[in-house]
Amino acid sequence: GQQLNQSPQSMFIQEGEDVSMNCTSSSIFNTWLWYKQDPGEGPVLLIALYKAGELTSNGRLTAQFGITRKDSFLNISASIPSDVGIYFCAGQDSNYQLIWGAGTKLIIKP
Amino acid sequence: GAGVSQSPSNKVTEKGKDVELRCDPISGHTALYWYRQSLGQGLEFLIYFQGNSAPDKSGLPSDRFSAERTGGSVSTLTIQRTQQEDSAVYLCASSALTWEQFFGPGTRLTVL
Repeated sequence: GQQLNQSPQSMFIQEGEDVSMNCTSSSIFNTWLWYKQDPGEGPVLLIALYKAGELTSNGRLTAQFGITRKDSFLNISASIPSDVGIYFCAGQDSNYQLIWGAGTKLIIKP
Repeated sequence: GAGVSQSPSNKVTEKGKDVELRCDPISGHTALYWYRQSLGQGLEFLIYFQGNSAPDKSGLPSDRFSAERTGGSVSTLTIQRTQQEDSAVYLCASSALTWEQFFGPGTRLTVL
């Protein structure tokens, strides 16, 4: 079936650094979603993108829907300790199914 | 509460036993999803309910897994004759729109 390639798989960063992660697909999507999962919790929606080229911000988070509709990125500026967790991208295909990336684990060095 | 709830939060069972996991979706959400997440891994789609339509069972890993959704609301995921490889967190999500899913806290299943 369809798959999303999410990278990197994990990131070790210093507090205050900017973070960037992305997802790519071989097929086009109609919607891109970015979720964050804290330990012991279910994923929580961060940003939803509905149009190719759309750039949306939510506080220190910025995400873009790639112009080709086959990719999306998420940036986090000035990372803080509570940003740790697993970030998932998900794309809605033409059958209205959500396809999930494998996740990017963000770890902040003490 | 207003969110998706799941019970139990933790379940420890012995190999070969049956287990039932419950999901209470957000009121009014017509779509309900079950996912499985192994330790440190991504989400594995299991089954999807949309209104009164036949469920999409394409993600169920074996015939030991089944799910019901009664009255278009509460759902139960049943795993028969549990195996150690069934150990994982089982997540339920509901949505009013098919692309914005709201997740419950999950049930952590441990099969000894």
